[in-house]
Amino acid sequence: RKEVEQDPGPFNVPEGATVAFNCTYSNSASQSFFWYRQDCRKEPKLLMSVYSSGNEDGRFTAQLNRASQYISLLIRDSKLSDSATYLCAVNRDDKIIFGKGTRLHILP
Amino acid sequence: NAGVTQTPKFQVLKTGQSMTLQCAQDMNHNSMYWYRQDPGMGLRLIYYSASEGTTDKGEVPNGYNVSRLNKREFSLRLESAAPSQTSVYFCASSLDSFATQYFGPGTRLLVL
Repeated sequence: RKEVEQDPGPFNVPEGATVAFNCTYSNSASQSFFWYRQDCRKEPKLLMSVYSSGNEDGRFTAQLNRASQYISLLIRDSKLSDSATYLCAVNRDDKIIFGKGTRLHILP
Repeated sequence: NAGVTQTPKFQVLKTGQSMTLQCAQDMNHNSMYWYRQDPGMGLRLIYYSASEGTTDKGEVPNGYNVSRLNKREFSLRLESAAPSQTSVYFCASSLDSFATQYFGPGTRLLVL
């Protein structure tokens, strides 16, 4: 099993729809979890950290399921500007391991 | 507040040439990282520095060396560039090893 695994997509979703991504991780000792957004030919930027109790930021909701070792990202009322690649990241010891990303295309 | 800066933005090298990629952060972060990103491969950690004075190998260190010059600066050196090192290189920093990483804008390197 890969350390951090994501469905590469692409997810083609109509504007206004709700879309969800999952990211599985293999190290049960991991303590830090993140979702990053990366636009084409740009650097990754933090979208949100993921807390044990789950957290919400506007249209974005992140959840952590320790028992099944995955984190999720839910995007509601998707906008054209949400089109990007979404990377999950999980710590292993003193490093952060990134997934390969999920590509999202919001269709007008 | 510039965050993380990288130089150069673009570089073309011939096989066998050497170069140093520079990275600096002004956020007083302790940890710094070098990644490469290739299509379909995601971000792969080359080297990292958990704190000033320490450096460690990541997933793909072969062909690279690093120097943590001081708390602000972390450079990546290619001693003898190879076409397989054609990639986009990102530097990142974080307050500590478990915290959010902030990325520089990247260096696009082409090795002919």
